[in-house]
Amino acid sequence: RKEVEQDPGPFNVPEGATVAFNCTYSNSASQSFFWYRQDCRKEPKLLMSVYSSGNEDGRFTAQLNRASQYISLLIRDSKLSDSATYLCVVLPANDYKLSFGAGTTVTVRA
Amino acid sequence: DAMVIQNPRYQVTQFGKPVTLSCSQTLNHNVMYWYQQKSSQAPKLLFHYYDKDFNNEADTPDNFQSRRPNTSFCFLDIRSPGLGDAAMYLCATSSPGSGGHDQETQYFGPGTRLLVL
Repeated sequence: RKEVEQDPGPFNVPEGATVAFNCTYSNSASQSFFWYRQDCRKEPKLLMSVYSSGNEDGRFTAQLNRASQYISLLIRDSKLSDSATYLCVVLPANDYKLSFGAGTTVTVRA
Repeated sequence: DAMVIQNPRYQVTQFGKPVTLSCSQTLNHNVMYWYQQKSSQAPKLLFHYYDKDFNNEADTPDNFQSRRPNTSFCFLDIRSPGLGDAAMYLCATSSPGSGGHDQETQYFGPGTRLLVL
């Protein structure tokens, strides 16, 4: 079983729509969680950290469910520029090496 | 701006011909990582340096080696590239234990795309 699993998508949505997707992780002792964004043929960049209480950053909302071991990302009012692959990233307890999911691809169309 | 730099951005090599990819950073981070990423896959950690200590992942082939001559630079050597080694190679840095709010964040360079002919 992979440490971090994501629905690869693609999620094709019109501009202005809301899109949401989840990621599951296998290590119940994981301590920190992140969403990274990766544009085609570019490097991953940190989008946001995910906190236990859930957190928002503009149009992006991240949620963590430790009991069910999943995190989610919701994008409201989608923009064309949101088209990218979103990588779910987990930091195991007592470690500094990150575990990456394979990514969920989102395509926002005009 | 502080950053992670990788050269070259694109590298073409021949089957079996050694190749070296370079990474430098101005972030003064103590950990540097090398990842291999193939299309539609997660970045796969090859190895990392924590300061001068080299840490190899168990499933990294012997064909891949690394050097870190100083804090700022790290190199990835592929001794005999095979067709299966064609991929994007990403360098990243972090500063675990620094106490900063972003100590868990990894900062990636733009990557080197390797093509093996």
